[in-house]
Amino acid sequence: KQEVTQIPAALSVPEGENLVLNCSFTDSAIYNLQWFRQDPGKGLTSLLLIQSSQREQTSGRLNASLDKSSGRSTLYIAASQPGDSATYLCAVSRGGGSNYKLTFGKGTLLTVNP
Amino acid sequence: SQTIHQWPATLVQPVGSPLSLECTVEGTSNPNLYWYRQAAGRGLQLLFYSVGIGQISSEVPQNLSASRPQDRQFILSSKKLLLSDSGFYLCAWSIGTGGKLFFGSGTQLSVL
Repeated sequence: KQEVTQIPAALSVPEGENLVLNCSFTDSAIYNLQWFRQDPGKGLTSLLLIQSSQREQTSGRLNASLDKSSGRSTLYIAASQPGDSATYLCAVSRGGGSNYKLTFGKGTLLTVNP
Repeated sequence: SQTIHQWPATLVQPVGSPLSLECTVEGTSNPNLYWYRQAAGRGLQLLFYSVGIGQISSEVPQNLSASRPQDRQFILSSKKLLLSDSGFYLCAWSIGTGGKLFFGSGTQLSVL
């Protein structure tokens, strides 16, 4: 059974700092990995998706990397801003198509202080 | 563009009452549809998913059921709610092959 772990559970940083969020998964046979953002009481927003054959994806100040063989992914946020404060979740899927089901970590609660 | 609608946003129900949560997707065809539950202090748990009309897969045994009467409509139901059914329920969709997952805004269910 796939298990996804995110470390740290919570992180508080001053504005402008670069930071890294970590995600690990126990079964390296994944189809893809996604990073999501969740604001309090809201749904999730997909930030980045990395296919199993890819090593990284970038969007603006966000960069996600994937090391499938070691079961790890990182989300790098550059020049953090107070608006980045949210819970960040990673999720992996074992298969695609009719087997496309995501297993989520519990998330990292990020607070960026002005 | 694609949009997903989920309602109601908040629901307070007594134990033993029925439940019906509805989710609809616009702007796409034959999506994969999902119901997740997020309980306090726990991660998102996949409850049901569907790859087509009338096709429902259940991930965990529980007091809930799901139906997909139309291509872009997904319904979560219960005949008699339990206290343990409380949580934040999220509907989501993806393209059929598997890609980004798009979530609705969620329903906060409190069973009292």
